[in-house]
Amino acid sequence: NAGVTQTPKFQVLKTGQSMTLQCAQDMNHEYMSWYRQDPGMGLRLIHYSVGAGITDQGEVPNGYNVSRSTTEDFPLRLLSAAPSQTSVYFCASSYSGQMNEKLFFGSGTQLSVL
Amino acid sequence: QKEVEQDPGPLSVPEGAIVSLNCTYSNSAFQYFMWYRQYSRKGPELLMYTYSSGNKEDGRFTAQVDKSSKYISLFIRDSQPSDSATYLCASRSNDYKLSFGAGTTVTVRA
Repeated sequence: NAGVTQTPKFQVLKTGQSMTLQCAQDMNHEYMSWYRQDPGMGLRLIHYSVGAGITDQGEVPNGYNVSRSTTEDFPLRLLSAAPSQTSVYFCASSYSGQMNEKLFFGSGTQLSVL
Repeated sequence: QKEVEQDPGPLSVPEGAIVSLNCTYSNSAFQYFMWYRQYSRKGPELLMYTYSSGNKEDGRFTAQVDKSSKYISLFIRDSQPSDSATYLCASRSNDYKLSFGAGTTVTVRA
């Protein structure tokens, strides 16, 4: 059972470049989310989805786009990368997103924007 | 201001000591309180969760919530080097957004 799989593990971009961070889960979870983790700031929610075709903004959505065409996949797109988006990105999922559910995290993508 | 505040430490203790970790939160609507553990270069994993006020014990770990003071605590008894990690507190109300503290990095010295 793979759980939550994120690719790539590391990425270096130049300012203005675009890229997509991939996230896939094989647990049939309806709820998926993206967080960024920065020193001293903890994990901050970027976007989340409660099912295929449904997405919503989190705490820090600017500069990021998401879509959810299937239950399994929840890609995060950076349209025009900026140095402020240098961070570690985590994808997380749970069965339905209810309050008492455990979030399963991927192993993260370390992104540097030069 | 973040909804959940946590002292980032770092915290270094000798093996066998009690580790005490604390967070405060500002949103009175928060009902669920969690502690996640994150090893270096890994994603966080749920350690414990509690609902509303009270204590919850799981082996060497005890989580406490005091809603009157908006205070969350995690205690680790008989700490082991394998407990060395970053510990993140988290809280949520009745929506889909989980708010995390900054995380406290703990090192247990053998």
